[in-house]
Amino acid sequence: DVKVTQSSRYLVKRTGEKVFLECVQDMDHENMFWYRQDPGLGLRLIYFSYDVKMKEKGDIPEGYSVSREKKERFSLILESASTNQTSMYLCASSLLLGGNQPQHFGDGTRLSIL
Amino acid sequence: AQKVTQAQTEISVVEKEDVTLDCVYETRDTTYYLFWYKQPPSGELVFLIRRNSFDEQNEISGRYSWNFQKSTSSFNFTITASQVVDSAVYFCALSEPHDGNNRLAFGKGNQVVVIP
Repeated sequence: DVKVTQSSRYLVKRTGEKVFLECVQDMDHENMFWYRQDPGLGLRLIYFSYDVKMKEKGDIPEGYSVSREKKERFSLILESASTNQTSMYLCASSLLLGGNQPQHFGDGTRLSIL
Repeated sequence: AQKVTQAQTEISVVEKEDVTLDCVYETRDTTYYLFWYKQPPSGELVFLIRRNSFDEQNEISGRYSWNFQKSTSSFNFTITASQVVDSAVYFCALSEPHDGNNRLAFGKGNQVVVIP
């Protein structure tokens, strides 16, 4: 079974802090994704990566950056956290093969910015 | 524009009733893929099914069934004889592989509440 592991289930940080959310997958997947989920808005894509050191902006990249130094690890960085970044963050991974591969998700991180 | 529309925000049913979740999608591609995911209260999205645009056969898996109709751009999901464990948020998603990656466009989800 594919395992996508997010480093924290719950996280509380303060405004202005630099925040790192970590995600690791164990199935050698090329693609990795970061989403945020907010009530009434569904899942919105922040960034994704299809290879080591490669990254692409999703639909809402403002205020975020990412890092993919190793194939299995994809980090989401909030450079200076703000209260409007309080949300549920979900990481996912998939094989690259042309769009028909399901994404596999981690358990999510509930991030609160005070 | 919303590529995937799940119009029903929250649906409550009494246990053992059937519930159908509507998903309407929009694409100009001839090759595309549709997915359903379940998100229980624990938070993890669980993959349920994938359908490609060339396969309009309906599918049944236990109490779950899916009805794919290209003519109406719909991929509806029915839970038969619902159980409390079916309480979750269900997401429909679309993949359009023309851009070479595996992005998914998600609907906003259907919150299903099964009342014992």
